Amino acid sequence: DADVTQTPRNRITKTGKRIMLECSQTKGHDRMYWYRQDPGLGLRLIYYSFDVKDINKGEISDGYSVSRQAQAKFSLSLESAIPNQTALYFCATSGTQGGNQPQHFGDGTRLSIL
Amino acid sequence: LAKTTQPISMDSYEGQEVNITCSHNNIATNDYITWYQQFPSQGPRFIIQGYKTKVTNEVASLFIPADRKSSTLSLPRVSLSDTAVYYCLVGVPERGGYQKVTFGTGTKLQVIP
Repeated sequence: DADVTQTPRNRITKTGKRIMLECSQTKGHDRMYWYRQDPGLGLRLIYYSFDVKDINKGEISDGYSVSRQAQAKFSLSLESAIPNQTALYFCATSGTQGGNQPQHFGDGTRLSIL
Repeated sequence: LAKTTQPISMDSYEGQEVNITCSHNNIATNDYITWYQQFPSQGPRFIIQGYKTKVTNEVASLFIPADRKSSTLSLPRVSLSDTAVYYCLVGVPERGGYQKVTFGTGTKLQVIP
């Protein structure tokens, strides 16, 4: 979804480095999410935020932190990257207006940690 | 959380109708059923959502029996561009977001010329 932009699209880094993945959206949605995808495991929720002042841990938050800088921006940080955090990371948004609004996903950041 | 079970993979020839069934035996009364499509190197994309009976849009149909313990995504006359992974999700996003809506491993559909 072009309305949800993730940067960078690809990143290779070394163990122990601090990394930030950024997500911005133009959909005007309050709710934003970070997922990671590993082969054979589907998508797993890392963190989610319902508004700028609301941050919640997901299923697999250990080793990650997030910042909701504005309604449109939600960043994911790996304070000290380790190889098992190598994965495809997705940001998503969802709205709250009228019914079960679907999620909208960015095209992902492929992160490799050596 | 309602767990979903889907076939790991399916093959189909171009032009055929494809039906992908998802089992969700412990679906809760208020849960909705949502299907997403994911192409390689892209994020999942919403296809269709339903609560009961049948829902149809320009892309697909969703059949939900009365007991709601399963659902079937139907793709009419598939083309090569329908080759993707299809995810079935169960939950109640309206009540509090998608934090309790779980992605399974999906069904990898391969369309053959």
